[in-house]
Amino acid sequence: DQQVKQNSPSLSVQEGRISILNCDYTNSMFDYFLWYKKYPAEGPTFLISISSIKDKNEDGRFTVFLNKSAKHLSLHIVPSQPGDSAVYFCAASRFNFGNEKLTFGTGTRLTIIP
Amino acid sequence: ETGVTQTPRHLVMGMTNKKSLKCEQHLGHNAMYWYKQSAKKPLELMFVYSLEERVENNSVPSRFSPECPNSSHLFLHLHTLQPEDSALYLCASSQTMTHQETQYFGPGTRLLVL
Repeated sequence: DQQVKQNSPSLSVQEGRISILNCDYTNSMFDYFLWYKKYPAEGPTFLISISSIKDKNEDGRFTVFLNKSAKHLSLHIVPSQPGDSAVYFCAASRFNFGNEKLTFGTGTRLTIIP
Repeated sequence: ETGVTQTPRHLVMGMTNKKSLKCEQHLGHNAMYWYKQSAKKPLELMFVYSLEERVENNSVPSRFSPECPNSSHLFLHLHTLQPEDSALYLCASSQTMTHQETQYFGPGTRLLVL
């Protein structure tokens, strides 16, 4: 039973345009969400996060939107650059008295076309 | 050297072999994790150590045996593995295990069991 789902395995976007990566979750207890980015032969690196008390968090070209009623979050990258080509993982966690765990999605491979 | 390092980066082993994966973090963190990433599956948490004590064993078969001799080092001892254990094994660390703590990942060990 996958609690965090990324239904698009891949996405191609023209350089300079907006990339939108989507993530859905089923566990309503999740209250913290993260996006990680992974290049080949490297480990995932933290990109941006959002707490459930917010519906938007922005960091430079990256914005994460959270729709709690729909149990959906999205990552917007604008403008997209060739260096953004990577696999993006959505992850979620919930408060558990200091014993929190991250639950990951399967990832979306983003390719930016020059 | 900074961040989280893992050795070896690639490993091929037979089902009767015994090998160990090593992880070292140079971030002064107190929590360390082992994850498994199989093809087209989400990252799966295997083990969590906090202050050198195991706090989570996520129903992992006993052919995987973790060891955390100090807060900077984490090992995963492998013995009598099966071909389905072939995967990318990722180590991560975080300052603590508490909520909203960012995890920092190593580059992973790609394991092939023949």
